Amino acid sequence: DAGVIQSPRHEVTEMGQEVTLRCKPISGHNSLFWYRQTMMRGLELLIYFNNNVPIDDSGMPEDRFSAKMPNASFSTLKIQPSEPRDSAVYFCASSSRDSPNYGYTFGSGTRLTVV
Amino acid sequence: GENVEQHPSTLSVQEGDSAVIKCTYSDSASNYFPWYKQELGKGPQLIIDIRSNVGEKKDQRIAVTLNKTAKHFSLHITETQPEDSAVYFCAGRHIMRFGAGTRLTVKP
Repeated sequence: DAGVIQSPRHEVTEMGQEVTLRCKPISGHNSLFWYRQTMMRGLELLIYFNNNVPIDDSGMPEDRFSAKMPNASFSTLKIQPSEPRDSAVYFCASSSRDSPNYGYTFGSGTRLTVV
Repeated sequence: GENVEQHPSTLSVQEGDSAVIKCTYSDSASNYFPWYKQELGKGPQLIIDIRSNVGEKKDQRIAVTLNKTAKHFSLHITETQPEDSAVYFCAGRHIMRFGAGTRLTVKP
């Protein structure tokens, strides 16, 4: 298995532009999570999906952030409009509730820089 | 929601020494206790975990111990090596919320 695949690895955009981050979870995993990591706030859970359905989006900072999971193999996190304070590394992770260890597998992350 | 706290925030040891990182949690219903390692430029990676029906689990040089009464669990790394240098995270089980992380530096 190729693991959790995120794209792009790096994104530099200007303030006000729309940014879309993409994630392909591990095949067979039925839970997907979006995290944001910064020095100040550490790893923050933004939203998670079970069986493609958003369950808890209380971590999404503002209405500028939205996430979708149209099918079991793809999810997007969109920021519109982007702001400099959104600069961070965004991680996607997936897991299977059927797995004996419930561990999460993380992607390599997308480093977003908003200038 | 559940609170997860890690100590210390930074830890520096000499190669060959042991390292211990402690995590306290608030949810007494927690039954799964994982530790993740994050190397520079990578996502966190699960390195060891334990369930509440056991008190200790070992995997080569790493081990996790659990004290459910006191609501804490610890990561133990023995015979540390420079490649153990990374940030280590514990997590609360209920929709995994992570501790602030411990930056471990192993000096050769």
